[in-house]
Amino acid sequence: DTGVSQDPRHKITKRGQNVTFRCDPISEHNRLYWYRQTLGQGPEFLTYFQNEAQLEKSRLLSDRFSAERPKGSFSTLEIQRTEQGDSAMYLCASRFANTGELFFGEGSRLTVL
Amino acid sequence: DQQVKQNSPSLSVQEGRISILNCDYTNSMFDYFLWYKKYPAEGPTFLISISSIKDKNEDGRFTVFLNKSAKHLSLHIVPSQPGDSAVYFCAASAGLVSGAGSYQLTFGKGTKLSVIP
Repeated sequence: DTGVSQDPRHKITKRGQNVTFRCDPISEHNRLYWYRQTLGQGPEFLTYFQNEAQLEKSRLLSDRFSAERPKGSFSTLEIQRTEQGDSAMYLCASRFANTGELFFGEGSRLTVL
Repeated sequence: DQQVKQNSPSLSVQEGRISILNCDYTNSMFDYFLWYKKYPAEGPTFLISISSIKDKNEDGRFTVFLNKSAKHLSLHIVPSQPGDSAVYFCAASAGLVSGAGSYQLTFGKGTKLSVIP
């Protein structure tokens, strides 16, 4: 399967713990995006990488959130000191250059108890 | 402030009939529009798109219409099939046609389509 893959698919954690999600985009895609989706809402943009450079961050991305894409391939999204409001589906997507469609992974569902 | 609005949370249609899903937007900088389909516990899957230089795009059973003056687009599915039952998201991007920006997508809240056999 050569689609976008995300790991883990599900994560249950206690409030205050740190969690990290990994995304492997489609190999030839140089642009990578993180989105968050909560119940009854559409996906909301968090941040965007072009190769290894993080070029844009949403106001939704508080200082407890950090994302990296160290070699321009896979990316990680870390949430420190999780809060119950962080419970959501975290979606990764990628695209190649100037094409319009984002290709999404299956998401990582976070539950903070 | 929601820039992409899908005002119908749900829609039920008989199998074989037409499904029409609507979407309105407020940002006049949007120049590329997409529809995604989402099943539970899966990520969104790209369905069809349209550039602001067109007013219609067709792909098999799916047709998207764009009315720029009304800032409105719609997705038509003909004929509807039970496998089409899913949540449909409208999304928009600014700068794709001009070549500027991150091309991040702004999504609506989705419309849940149920196709009744």
